[in-house]
Amino acid sequence: EVQLVQSGAEVKKPGESLKISCEASGDSFRSYWIAWVRQMPGRGLEWMGIIYPGDSDTTYSPSFQGQVTISADKSIKTAYVQWSSLKASDSAIYYCASRRSGYFYFDSWGQGTLVTVSS
Amino acid sequence: SYELTQPPSVSVSPGQTAIITCSGDDLGDKYVCWYQQRTGQSPVLVMFQDKKRPSGIPERFSGSNSGNTATLTISGTQTMDEADYYCQAWDRTTVVFGGGTTLTVL
Repeated sequence: EVQLVQSGAEVKKPGESLKISCEASGDSFRSYWIAWVRQMPGRGLEWMGIIYPGDSDTTYSPSFQGQVTISADKSIKTAYVQWSSLKASDSAIYYCASRRSGYFYFDSWGQGTLVTVSS
Repeated sequence: SYELTQPPSVSVSPGQTAIITCSGDDLGDKYVCWYQQRTGQSPVLVMFQDKKRPSGIPERFSGSNSGNTATLTISGTQTMDEADYYCQAWDRTTVVFGGGTTLTVL
């Protein structure tokens, strides 16, 4: 399985842009899909979308379609999620998680990135 | 959109059996997995394909899925099992999480 290391905590103002990352190591990145999951304070897990870095095939949750952009750079084994204009309601912990092609569970999770959006 | 429903909380005494349910339309036709999330930590996979345990997950964890309900059972619950538990399934090409169940061991 891969190991996932996410970028550090961010503090931003409403309207600012942001891109956070998730770097994979250990196993063949090309065999894995990377998902992003949001967890708002005191709340449950929400699936945002998933990308296959091999060809950048991406599927978004309807709830997040148009709100974020998920991308990946397979050459550096890194996936990203970005916002063009943050809102206070984007404040949350964001996790990346991986699943192997052909399997339908996430067996490795990043440590989470705390995003705080406040004026 | 597809929904998975979990009870918000379950309480058990140490050594007892904890049963956490996850309900959804024809859920038995899908593979369900479960994640454990201790306070302040990332989720950890504790069950996949309904009833398979990843390596390192104690045998006291077991799972089943039939009809409209999947179940995560923890036999001989220990205080270290106190955590939030989330079920997860796929609806076509999208991932669905249950709302989560807080397991209290007291």
